[in-house]
Amino acid sequence: AQSVTQLGSHVSVSEGALVLLRCNYSSSVPPYLFWYVQYPNQGLQLLLKYTSAATLVKGINGFEAEFKKSETSFHLTKPSAHMSDAAEYFCAVSHGSGNTGKLIFGQGTTLQVKP
Amino acid sequence: DADVTQTPRNRITKTGKRIMLECSQTKGHDRMYWYRQDPGLGLRLIYYSFDVKDINKGEISDGYSVSRQAQAKFSLSLESAIPNQTALYFCATSPKAGQGLTDTQYFGPGTRLTVL
Repeated sequence: AQSVTQLGSHVSVSEGALVLLRCNYSSSVPPYLFWYVQYPNQGLQLLLKYTSAATLVKGINGFEAEFKKSETSFHLTKPSAHMSDAAEYFCAVSHGSGNTGKLIFGQGTTLQVKP
Repeated sequence: DADVTQTPRNRITKTGKRIMLECSQTKGHDRMYWYRQDPGLGLRLIYYSFDVKDINKGEISDGYSVSRQAQAKFSLSLESAIPNQTALYFCATSPKAGQGLTDTQYFGPGTRLTVL
């Protein structure tokens, strides 16, 4: 069975500091991996996705994530946090065939950015 | 205009009442999903539909039912609401493989449901 674990339900960084949100997955087949962001009172929107092409994936708003098969990880990073990055972030995995369309989400990590 | 809309955005109801949450999309996607979000649990899949004639249970379908009235409309019903169904509910859509980015889902703004 596939699963996703996000380490740390809350992460706090200072504005301008590195953002690192951790995600580990479990999958018996090559996974598609996603990071979604949820701003307050809004639905989720896609930040980036890994679909077995380049292992380093660049997304919107300066975020990127690296797929590491040996570590079963897909951590999200941003070199310099901005106040507008404060939100909840979800890592998700879908079936490797790409045809099921079902996503399994992690528990979410709330990012706080301090001035 | 939003591509995925949900109505109502907020609803307070009482135990035992029947509730319907509606989702409409203008993205032309075949696949639609209903999730619920609870603090600390992330999003969990309730039901999903790959086309008008294809409805499937997700991981937490008990106490819920759905109707896919058209390609663009997917409704979620709580036949007899109970307090532990208090949550934030999201509808999402995705294109079928070949129509666009496989597996990317596009979410509505959510419906906050409170069952007293």
